[in-house]
Amino acid sequence: NAGVTQTPKFRVLKTGQSMTLLCAQDMNHEYMYWYRQDPGMGLRLIHYSVGEGTTAKGEVPDGYNVSRLKKQNFLLGLESAAPSQTSVYFCASSFSRDSSYNEQFFGPGTRLTVL
Amino acid sequence: AQKVTQAQTEISVVEKEDVTLDCVYETRDTTYYLFWYKQPPSGELVFLIRRNSFDEQNEISGRYSWNFQKSTSSFNFTITASQVVDSAVYFCALTLGGTSYGKLTFGQGTILTVHP
Repeated sequence: NAGVTQTPKFRVLKTGQSMTLLCAQDMNHEYMYWYRQDPGMGLRLIHYSVGEGTTAKGEVPDGYNVSRLKKQNFLLGLESAAPSQTSVYFCASSFSRDSSYNEQFFGPGTRLTVL
Repeated sequence: AQKVTQAQTEISVVEKEDVTLDCVYETRDTTYYLFWYKQPPSGELVFLIRRNSFDEQNEISGRYSWNFQKSTSSFNFTITASQVVDSAVYFCALTLGGTSYGKLTFGQGTILTVHP
């Protein structure tokens, strides 16, 4: 099992450019999450999904969109990148049953720099 | 809204010292779950432990131990006889029960450096 994978690992964008981060999991998890990690702020939830075809906003959703067309994939999009979106992005997934109790499995992260 | 505070931004110890990482949480819910994750220099987050709000038993796993005290809203993590491999960022996190869908609220993280 590959677990949770993220593509790409690194990316540099110019302000105003767009991009999509791909997260894939092979554990048949229902729930998937996107977090961003910034120095001194821990991880903050951007968007999450509780199943194929569903998405919901987290704590810091502005400037991001997501899609979950297939159960195993969760895409995070930046339509017009801003320097404030420079961060490390983590995808995570978990089982839905007893969801609050289940630990989340994290991908390796994507380091994004917006110039 | 819930909140998790890790007041120690950075801790530096020498190998074999014991070290305690503090975690204080805030929530009005009676059902919640607490987690600790480790982020080594390689970057990925690794699950260490979870605790539910109804289980105040302390837990020990090898050199790691966790002290959960509802009276002080704390869930502290102690590493005994620290090793260089323990150097990492450690996160405490909280999720609510019910229909929270496992959404985690993280603390700011504590950077632990263990010197040889």
